[in-house]
Amino acid sequence: DAGVTQSPTHLIKTRGQQVTLRCSPISGHKSVSWYQQVLGQGPQFIFQYYEKEERGRGNFPDRFSARQFPNYSSELNVNALLLGDSALYLCASSFSGANEQFFGPGTRLTVL
Amino acid sequence: QQQVKQSPQSLIVQKGGIPIINCAYENTAFDYFPWYQQFPGKGPALLIAIRPDVSEKKEGRFTISFNKSAKQFSLHIMDSQPGDSATYFCAARQSHSGGGADGLTFGKGTHLIIQP
Repeated sequence: DAGVTQSPTHLIKTRGQQVTLRCSPISGHKSVSWYQQVLGQGPQFIFQYYEKEERGRGNFPDRFSARQFPNYSSELNVNALLLGDSALYLCASSFSGANEQFFGPGTRLTVL
Repeated sequence: QQQVKQSPQSLIVQKGGIPIINCAYENTAFDYFPWYQQFPGKGPALLIAIRPDVSEKKEGRFTISFNKSAKQFSLHIMDSQPGDSATYFCAARQSHSGGGADGLTFGKGTHLIIQP
């Protein structure tokens, strides 16, 4: 069975640019959550989507946005990139928002 | 404000020993407490999880002990092996009556090394 998939694996951007990260959840799962993991720290919650609606949002600026598609895949968009946005961006899949979350391998974003 | 405090930051144990990682939380509305294992360059992998209505849960070599009154929980790894060397994260989450849930709140992680 395929797990959570994320693309791209690595990404290099410059300050001020915009980036879109993609996530496909486990088949049958309807909820996707996004996390940011800075090197040496635990993941920090950004968004949770369930049935294409935003169910929760962490303490991140409006430069961060996301959406979920009818097939339950999701995109995370970050505008006006800052150096501090360099991190591993993780997508987690669950059947519903209240169930176990299974993480993908992440997208490593480097902002120069 | 760190809602889940994890200790120790790093831990070295001999093969066969029992590493213990501890976490403490403040928010009494948390109702789900998972542990994740993360290898370098990989996403976190769910190991085991507990809800506050039980005090202990075992899955294979991994055991969670939960103390609701102290707002603490811990992970024990029995018969530890060098392959268990990884970073371990505790987490907590509050569910909502509408069926949704907030995201997981993670501790800062414990870098565990199991020496042969």
